[in-house]
Amino acid sequence: EDQVTQSPEALRLQEGESSSLNCSYTVSGLRGLFWYRQDPGKGPEFLLTLYSAGEEKEKERLKATLTKKESFLHITAPKPEDSATYLCAVRKTFHDYKLSFGAGTTVTVRA
Amino acid sequence: NAGVTQTPKFQVLKTGQSMTLQCAQDMNHNSMYWYRQDPGMGLRLIYYSASEGTTDKGEVPNGYNVSRLNKREFSLRLESAAPSQTSVYFCASSEGGGNYGYTFGSGTRLTVV
Repeated sequence: EDQVTQSPEALRLQEGESSSLNCSYTVSGLRGLFWYRQDPGKGPEFLLTLYSAGEEKEKERLKATLTKKESFLHITAPKPEDSATYLCAVRKTFHDYKLSFGAGTTVTVRA
Repeated sequence: NAGVTQTPKFQVLKTGQSMTLQCAQDMNHNSMYWYRQDPGMGLRLIYYSASEGTTDKGEVPNGYNVSRLNKREFSLRLESAAPSQTSVYFCASSEGGGNYGYTFGSGTRLTVV
């Protein structure tokens, strides 16, 4: 059964303390791994997409990497405004419109 | 730009009542989706519409129906609400398939008592 698992469930950081979030997946035939940010009471906001193992993408203080089994979202020198829940999602085929989401990692950055 | 607009934002229903959640997007996207979000379970796809005139079941379609009214609007109907349908519902749209990421609405928080 296809699964998307995110760890840790929650992460508390001091401002400037870099760390990584993990998204592991067991989807056969990955055709895209997506990262989203969700603020309390709001809908998820698209961040970036990775397509193949070895690929890296950056967006502001975020850097995402992809292997055949997992993706890491590294937050460099986080600020309080980076506090949010980060969701990853996977797509199995180019013709499949469905995304399967993990449960998310809630990041809290203290000033 | 409004993006994806969902109404209502909050709703309380009694078991057995029916209601329709409304969703509209102004980005000229072809594809639209309905997800529900429950604590610890992530977002789960209820129904989606790849293009105007088509709808397909997602992971958890039981108890729901959808209508793609036109390219802009995609509604979700609960015919006979159950407590298990207490959740936060999100509508989303995308330009093609999922390649370009979804744009989500702000959600409808539904409580069934």
